[in-house]
Amino acid sequence: DTGVSQDPRHKITKRGQNVTFRCDPISEHNRLYWYRQTLGQGPEFLTYFQNEAQLEKSRLLSDRFSAERPKGSFSTLEIQRTEQGDSAMYLCASSLVLSGGGYTFGSGTRLTVV
Amino acid sequence: AQSVTQLDSQVPVFEEAPVELRCNYSSSVSVYLFWYVQYPNQGLQLLLKYLSGSTLVKGINGFEAEFNKSQTSFHLRKPSVHISDTAEYFCAVSDGDAGKSTFGDGTTLTVKP
Repeated sequence: DTGVSQDPRHKITKRGQNVTFRCDPISEHNRLYWYRQTLGQGPEFLTYFQNEAQLEKSRLLSDRFSAERPKGSFSTLEIQRTEQGDSAMYLCASSLVLSGGGYTFGSGTRLTVV
Repeated sequence: AQSVTQLDSQVPVFEEAPVELRCNYSSSVSVYLFWYVQYPNQGLQLLLKYLSGSTLVKGINGFEAEFNKSQTSFHLRKPSVHISDTAEYFCAVSDGDAGKSTFGDGTTLTVKP
């Protein structure tokens, strides 16, 4: 068990470009979550999956954001037409349903939009 | 809708002193409560969780928290802190199916020698 892995660790992109992040959860975990964290604030929920099904997506999330978990294993988060306001740390976490909650987080992907 | 308020954004304390980090929540359903710690340049790590049963929950690194339903609080305590406890601490709440969690904005604990 290598924990939750996120790739890349850092991403600098120009405004208007598309970016994609990858998350590999703990292999036996069936739930996978994406959060966003900006300086001085706690993680903000974006979306989560149970196996390959996307169960909930934040109503505050722009249509430029999309996430997939095609085979119920790894997940990708894509941001289209990036804006400077998208600059943040993007966190992935995983957990087991019925485990009583509590996430295992990855180290995050830091996105800087210039 | 759920919300979490961490009442102190920064808590400075001297080494070996006791500390309490305060957390209040609001929710319309039964909740699960969590504390996470984030050390500099690292991801969040689960410290402890309350699901049901005893209202006093013990976690890693000597931390404990007490669930108080009437006051909707889940304060984190440690009787004697170390320099290595310097970190950001986040309180979180999720609904009963252990789905998404709502996080507070964090408390920065700084332990001074």
